[in-house]
Amino acid sequence: DSGVTQTPKHLITATGQRVTLRCSPRSGDLSVYWYQQSLDQGLQFLIQYYNGEERAKGNILERFSAQQFPDLHSELNLSSLELGDSALYFCASSVDDRALHFGNGTRLTVT
Amino acid sequence: AQKVTQAQTEISVVEKEDVTLDCVYETRDTTYYLFWYKQPPSGELVFLIRRNSFDEQNEISGRYSWNFQKSTSSFNFTITASQVVDSAVYFCALSVFGNNDMRFGAGTRLTVKP
Repeated sequence: DSGVTQTPKHLITATGQRVTLRCSPRSGDLSVYWYQQSLDQGLQFLIQYYNGEERAKGNILERFSAQQFPDLHSELNLSSLELGDSALYFCASSVDDRALHFGNGTRLTVT
Repeated sequence: AQKVTQAQTEISVVEKEDVTLDCVYETRDTTYYLFWYKQPPSGELVFLIRRNSFDEQNEISGRYSWNFQKSTSSFNFTITASQVVDSAVYFCALSVFGNNDMRFGAGTRLTVKP
């Protein structure tokens, strides 16, 4: 168990809809990362937050947004969903040891 | 730019065989970190090891060992006496100091048959 909690585990929704994925980092970790894993793109870095502030941005679409709250949990919001957004979304957290500790992921299916 | 290449897409071995998973990385930075992660069929990503660019000492952890060679930009992973439970996708990753974007290779799917 990595100590990173992601909810929900599975999500099925229709095109055009909006969903929110939730992540609680390991106790003491200030950084939260979001990754997307799809069959054709592999593991892609989306965005990182550190202690409530956006720290780095990767291949995140404009339809996607994230935030980190004062209690350090984070949410990833995906809107105007398309079929191609179907993927496994991972949250990870870290301290300063550079190792990312991943949650179990949220499997999103857009129909 | 940073890049990680795992040339082996799939490997299949029989239990008790040794197997080496290759990882080649590219970076112009002198300070960086290399990682291996395991993704079993259940889907979670499990952290296995981290090495920094200044520490080329090889590491052994039980049946797992890692060979880091800066001269060839490689960070290979060997499983000795493989077991069925080792069946998973293994990812090599690179993180450059000062850059929060950890780059992953495409992964190697290892199947260990009984």
